[in-house]
Amino acid sequence: KAGVTQTPRYLIKTRGQQVTLSCSPISGHRSVSWYQQTPGQGLQFLFEYFSETQRNKGNFPGRFSGRQFSNSRSEMNVSTLELGDSALYLCASSLEHVNTGELFFGEGSRLTVL
Amino acid sequence: GENVEQHPSTLSVQEGDSAVIKCTYSDSASNYFPWYKQELGKGPQLIIDIRSNVGEKKDQRIAVTLNKTAKHFSLHITETQPEDSAVYFCAASKPGTASKLTFGTGTRLQVTL
Repeated sequence: KAGVTQTPRYLIKTRGQQVTLSCSPISGHRSVSWYQQTPGQGLQFLFEYFSETQRNKGNFPGRFSGRQFSNSRSEMNVSTLELGDSALYLCASSLEHVNTGELFFGEGSRLTVL
Repeated sequence: GENVEQHPSTLSVQEGDSAVIKCTYSDSASNYFPWYKQELGKGPQLIIDIRSNVGEKKDQRIAVTLNKTAKHFSLHITETQPEDSAVYFCAASKPGTASKLTFGTGTRLQVTL
C-alpha cells in the first residue's frame, strides 16, 4: 500500500513569489491535513480538508490556502512568499476527520525562500 | 488555544536503559494524546496513542501514561536500542478535531552503544 506522497520534495523560491505543493493521500483516506515544521516553531497545524471541504484551520495568514479534489488529493498554496515561510511542509492523511486516529505523514516538501 | 509543553529537549541514554519523555497540556477538553517518532528526512510516524478514558497503554517496549487531573502524559521506552534514536513529539487534540494536533516541541533521543 503506497504511503502519502508529496511533491515536490525540495524547492527554492524568492520573496514575493507563490508556491503550490501537492499531496496524494493513502488510497481510501478522505482526510488530508497540512502542517508546517520549522526549527523555531515546531510542528504547526495549517488546515484540514475532508470531502473537498475545509474542516479545520490553524492560525496562519490568508496567504496560506489549500484545496482538496474529488479524488482526495490536496494542494496547498502560499502566496507572496516571505523569508519566514521557509519550512518543511508536511501532509498527513487519515481515514476519518472527526474520530481520533492515526495520521499518516508524508516525507514533506522542503521550501526555501531566498 | 491548546498549549503542549515537552521535556526534555534532548535525552541521551545508553543502550538497554529506559527513556522517559514528559508532556503537559493546557486545555482540559483535550482527549487524544498521540506520540510520534520522526527520523531524519522522514515525516512523523505514530508510535502509540492514548485517549482520556485510559490511564496507561503499553505496546511492547513502549508505554504511555496519562494523568488527566495534572494534565500531563509521559512516554516510556524500555530496553532502548540504537534504532530508537530519533526525535519524539507528543501531541494533543480535542473531540471532533482529531487531525488538528497541537504538538510539543520535540525530544531528540540519542541511544548510545
